[in-house]
This record gives sequence, structure tokens and C-alpha cells, in this order.
Amino acid sequence: KAGVTQTPRYLIKTRGQQVTLSCSPISGHRSVSWYQQTPGQGLQFLFEYFSETQRNKGNFPGRFSGRQFSNSRSEMNVSTLELGDSALYLCASSFSPGKETQYFGPGTRLLVL
Amino acid sequence: SQQGEEDPQALSIQEGENATMNCSYKTSINNLQWYRQNSGRGLVHLILIRSNEREKHSGRLRVTLDTSKKSSSLLITASRAADTASYFCATDREYGNKLVFGAGTILRVKS
Repeated sequence: KAGVTQTPRYLIKTRGQQVTLSCSPISGHRSVSWYQQTPGQGLQFLFEYFSETQRNKGNFPGRFSGRQFSNSRSEMNVSTLELGDSALYLCASSFSPGKETQYFGPGTRLLVL
Repeated sequence: SQQGEEDPQALSIQEGENATMNCSYKTSINNLQWYRQNSGRGLVHLILIRSNEREKHSGRLRVTLDTSKKSSSLLITASRAADTASYFCATDREYGNKLVFGAGTILRVKS
């Protein structure tokens, strides 16, 4: 089975721009979660989707949003980028929410200038 | 906010030695998972231990969980240079997949 894939792998944007990141879960997995990793804050939960519905949201401003499609692929969007949004964005998938192992993709490294 | 705290923050050992990392958390949990991350890449799942389990093994890995002390340990036996990475514990306390990660332990295995 192919693993979780994320595109693009690297991205450079300037302040004020917006960005969309994509995540394709492992085939058959219907739950997708997003995390932000920075040197200062570590790994922080952004949101979780299951069956196209957001089930959980972390403590991030409304500039961070996401969605899930019927094929379980997910996108996250960050609008009005700030320098502090520079981070590694990780997507994880599992078969369903609950007591499940989450499998992570390689991440998208975003640099905001 | 981070629930877990790993200890030590960094660990340097010789190849062949054992490495032990500890994780403490603050609230009740459903599961605790350990992940490895190489040089800012994606996280690789190592092992999941449920709240009603006390010990689990996977190859050279041994994980223990003490829910009364809200702590877990990861033991890597006979370490190899390829084990050099950051190791994170992650807990979930609600139904769903919201993992709360610790700050991680940086392990360096010298050959």
C-alpha cells in the first residue's frame, strides 16, 4: 500500500499570500488529521476530518482552514500568511477515528518570507 | 499546548548500547504512541500501547506504560547508527485522532 502523500513538499510564500496544501491518505483510510511542527511550539494539532466532516479543531486562528473530499483526500488552507506560519505541516491518516494508529506523510515545509 | 514531556531532551550513546527515553503526561489517556522523526521529515510510527496495557514489544523496542504515574518509557536495545533521530510520545484522550505530542528526545547513536 502506498503511504500518505503530501504535495507540495516545499513551498516559499510571502507575507499576506495564501497557500493550499494537499494530503492523500493511505488507501481505505477515511480519517485525516493535520499538524503543524515548529522549533518553538513543537507538534501541534490543527484539525481532523472524517467522512468530509471536521471532527476536531486545534487552537489556531481562523486563517487556518481545511476540508476533506469524498475520496478522503484533504486540503488545508492558510490565508494571509504570517512569518510565524513557517513550519513543517504534517498530515496523518487512519482507518477511522478512535483507538487507531495514525500514519504520517513526509510533510510540506512552508517558508514565509 | 503539549501534554507530554520527554526526558532526556537529548541522548548520545555508542552503537550497541541501549537507549531509554521517558515520557510523562498530564491527563487520562486512551492510547500512547511513540514516533520517530529523521531530520525534520515525516513521523514514523513505532508502537502504540493502550491504556489497559502495561508493556509492549516490537523488535528491538520495548514500551512500558504506568497510568498511575502518567508515564511511559521507550527502550531501544542494541542501538544502531540508523536509530539516530528524534523520538516523540503522543497521547490521545478523547475519542478521535487528536494527538498531543511531547517535545521529543533527540537520540544520537555514534558508530
